[in-house]
Amino acid sequence: DVKVTQSSRYLVKRTGEKVFLECVQDMDHENMFWYRQDPGLGLRLIYFSYDVKMKEKGDIPEGYSVSREKKERFSLILESASTNQTSMYLCASSLPQGADTGELFFGEGSRLTVL
Amino acid sequence: QKEVEQNSGPLSVPEGAIASLNCTYSDRGSQSFFWYRQYSGKSPELIMSIYSNGDKEDGRFTAQLNKASQYVSLLIRDSQPSDSATYLCAVNIGDDKIIFGKGTRLHILP
Repeated sequence: DVKVTQSSRYLVKRTGEKVFLECVQDMDHENMFWYRQDPGLGLRLIYFSYDVKMKEKGDIPEGYSVSREKKERFSLILESASTNQTSMYLCASSLPQGADTGELFFGEGSRLTVL
Repeated sequence: QKEVEQNSGPLSVPEGAIASLNCTYSDRGSQSFFWYRQYSGKSPELIMSIYSNGDKEDGRFTAQLNKASQYVSLLIRDSQPSDSATYLCAVNIGDDKIIFGKGTRLHILP
């Protein structure tokens, strides 16, 4: 079974702190994604990556950056956390379209609270 | 901006009836469409994918796609209490970028 592991389930940070959210997948997937999920707003794409060192902005990249130095690891970075970044963050991975169904496999999520 | 629209619900359906969930998308060039189910406190999981016009059936689930109308639907037959969840419509809008609707909450009434 595909496993997507997010390193922290719950984090509490203070405004202005730098925050790292780590995601590791064990199925050699090319594509990796970071979404945030908020009540009433659904899942919104922050960044995605289709290869090592490659990244694409999603719909809400402001205030975030990402790093993909190895195929299995995709990190989300909040350079200076703000209260409006309090959210559930979901990492996902997939094979490229055409290679499979394009199914996204999600991690369990990281709930971040910024005080 | 490319969008996926869903009615947020809640949609209440009696046990044993058919639940019908709908989704529209803005990008006419989209080719791949997905339905995910998300239980409260859990991550989304894929239940159906559809790529061509028409119906696709898998057990009690049927996905329907109409590209001309930019419309995707999910039918759940013989609804069970365990089907109570939020259903997310997702669209691949190109280059493997997948975006989601806000989800429809489904409540199956025993």
